[in-house]
Amino acid sequence: DQQVKQNSPSLSVQEGRISILNCDYTNSMFDYFLWYKKYPAEGPTFLISISSIKDKNEDGRFTVFLNKSAKHLSLHIVPSQPGDSAVYFCAASINNFNKFYFGSGTKLNVKP
Amino acid sequence: EPEVTQTPSHQVTQMGQEVILRCVPISNHLYFYWYRQILGQKVEFLVSFYNNEISEKSEIFDDQFSVERPDGSNFTLKIRSTKLEDSAMYFCASSDDGNTEAFFGQGTRLTVV
Repeated sequence: DQQVKQNSPSLSVQEGRISILNCDYTNSMFDYFLWYKKYPAEGPTFLISISSIKDKNEDGRFTVFLNKSAKHLSLHIVPSQPGDSAVYFCAASINNFNKFYFGSGTKLNVKP
Repeated sequence: EPEVTQTPSHQVTQMGQEVILRCVPISNHLYFYWYRQILGQKVEFLVSFYNNEISEKSEIFDDQFSVERPDGSNFTLKIRSTKLEDSAMYFCASSDDGNTEAFFGQGTRLTVV
């Protein structure tokens, strides 16, 4: 099942700079997208979401961009902080939210 | 802040034994889910549960798996006869009316030996 892909397994960014995490999907039926953050030994924590009727959603330092024609979404974190170091998963669902398809995750390391 | 809680945090069991993983979803939520993550792999959907019945399940969720909401607060995942390949982190999640994100518990690490 490769419907949601995160092609970068890791990303390293300097504190204060922008972190950009990318996610691609193949199923055009997806209409809701989410980003989760996960620390070791913890469950995924919801970060931000976007509906397919939008192309941008912003919440504080976190902005998600959706490009439906390219089937691509990205998460921008500005400015990045060391506490942002975690694994970030994108996820997508169709219509009724009963089933989330997860990407494989990108491990973000924000260096002080 | 309300949270999803899972017990135990770590369960070791012998192959062929039955295990029950327990979850207490957020109290006003109506949709419940189990996901799992095998070490180094993706988080995978197992099953969703709404209105006291399974609403969707994946091909992983075969006859060895079952879910139950035995009372108004608990949501359980039972594996009848565990296999080595069932070793994984199992995450319970819940959401309210199906139009919002799911909130995940901290997970139960199941090790089958």
